[in-house]
Amino acid sequence: NAGVTQTPKFQVLKTGQSMTLQCAQDMNHNSMYWYRQDPGMGLRLIYYSASEGTTDKGEVPNGYNVSRLNKREFSLRLESAAPSQTSVYFCASSLSDSMGETQYFGPGTRLLVL
Amino acid sequence: QKEVEQDPGPLSVPEGAIVSLNCTYSNSAFQYFMWYRQYSRKGPELLMYTYSSGNKEDGRFTAQVDKSSKYISLFIRDSQPSDSATYLCAMSRTGGFKTIFGAGTRLFVKA
Repeated sequence: NAGVTQTPKFQVLKTGQSMTLQCAQDMNHNSMYWYRQDPGMGLRLIYYSASEGTTDKGEVPNGYNVSRLNKREFSLRLESAAPSQTSVYFCASSLSDSMGETQYFGPGTRLLVL
Repeated sequence: QKEVEQDPGPLSVPEGAIVSLNCTYSNSAFQYFMWYRQYSRKGPELLMYTYSSGNKEDGRFTAQVDKSSKYISLFIRDSQPSDSATYLCAMSRTGGFKTIFGAGTRLFVKA
């Protein structure tokens, strides 16, 4: 089992460019999440999908869109990248979105927006 | 004010020391309390998990929750260089997006 995989590992964008971060899990989990991690801010939830076919905003959704393509895949799209979106992005999954469910994280995507 | 406060450190200790990592929180609705460990350039992984108040021990690690003080701790006994990582506290509640993470404390254990 690969667990949670993310592509790409590293990306440099110019301001205004768009890109999609890909995430897939092979644990048959129902819930998936996108976080960003910035120094001193910890992990902040961007969007989450409690189950296939549903998505909801998290704490910092502005400038992002998501697609739950199927049960395995959850993508994050930046339509017009800004320097403030320079961060490390983590995808995670859990069996459900119930209180206390363990989340399993991918290795992260490092994004630099110039 | 953040819902979960965690000192970012860094915390540097000699090998064999007892390490105490702490978080405070403001929302009494949190009921599950977790500690994640994150090695450099890796994703976080669950280390310890506690429901409500009390202590939980797993090998060299002890998690402690004091709901009356809204304070949680992770103790590491006989610390090893391999424990060098960032430790994130996390708390979970019902409703909305349920898990909130602390900013993480960077720990260095020197051989």
